[in-house]
Amino acid sequence: DTAVSQTPKYLVTQMGNDKSIKCEQNLGHDTMYWYKQDSKKFLKIMFSYNNKELIINETVPNRFSPKSPDKAHLNLHINSLELGDSAVYFCASSLLTGSEQYFGPGTRLTVT
Amino acid sequence: KQEVTQIPAALSVPEGENLVLNCSFTDSAIYNLQWFRQDPGKGLTSLLLIQSSQREQTSGRLNASLDKSSGRSTLYIAASQPGDSATYLCAVLNTGNQFYFGTGTSLTVIP
Repeated sequence: DTAVSQTPKYLVTQMGNDKSIKCEQNLGHDTMYWYKQDSKKFLKIMFSYNNKELIINETVPNRFSPKSPDKAHLNLHINSLELGDSAVYFCASSLLTGSEQYFGPGTRLTVT
Repeated sequence: KQEVTQIPAALSVPEGENLVLNCSFTDSAIYNLQWFRQDPGKGLTSLLLIQSSQREQTSGRLNASLDKSSGRSTLYIAASQPGDSATYLCAVLNTGNQFYFGTGTSLTVIP
């Protein structure tokens, strides 16, 4: 059973388009996260939700909007995609904020 | 702002050697520190999590230590194997609920 899953695994799209990445966890965790890993492999947190409530919102463009319909899901919607948005996006979850994090396999987004 | 640095950036060792990976952070007001491994094209796998009140954690051939006052953590890998080849990342959770990842160490274990 996959603990943290993301779809799609790969996403290629053109500048200006709007796209969504979905994340689901079946671990019963309360906290979920979105991270961006750039071309230099540096990981940076974007958002964190605890029980559907936003608790961390790092400095990211407001073109990025997370949505948590329930505590098992945290989706990432991106409007007006730009070349600089190309990266690997990772979803993660933890039982509580600050406890051990479990990562999804990542979504490689390429904007052309 | 917290800065997390890992040295060396890359390391190559022959199979069977013991090795140490280093992680340093500038702000000692941390809640915990977690070590991960990342295989090429894959997500991160959690290895060890050390709470700020702890000095070390062990799992199999891995031992992680934490010296909060000096802003350092080490990951010790005993009897390295080719399957240990991966990028190792440390991540710090500040008391303000802010996460910071290190720059990573790419480890290659040569058979």
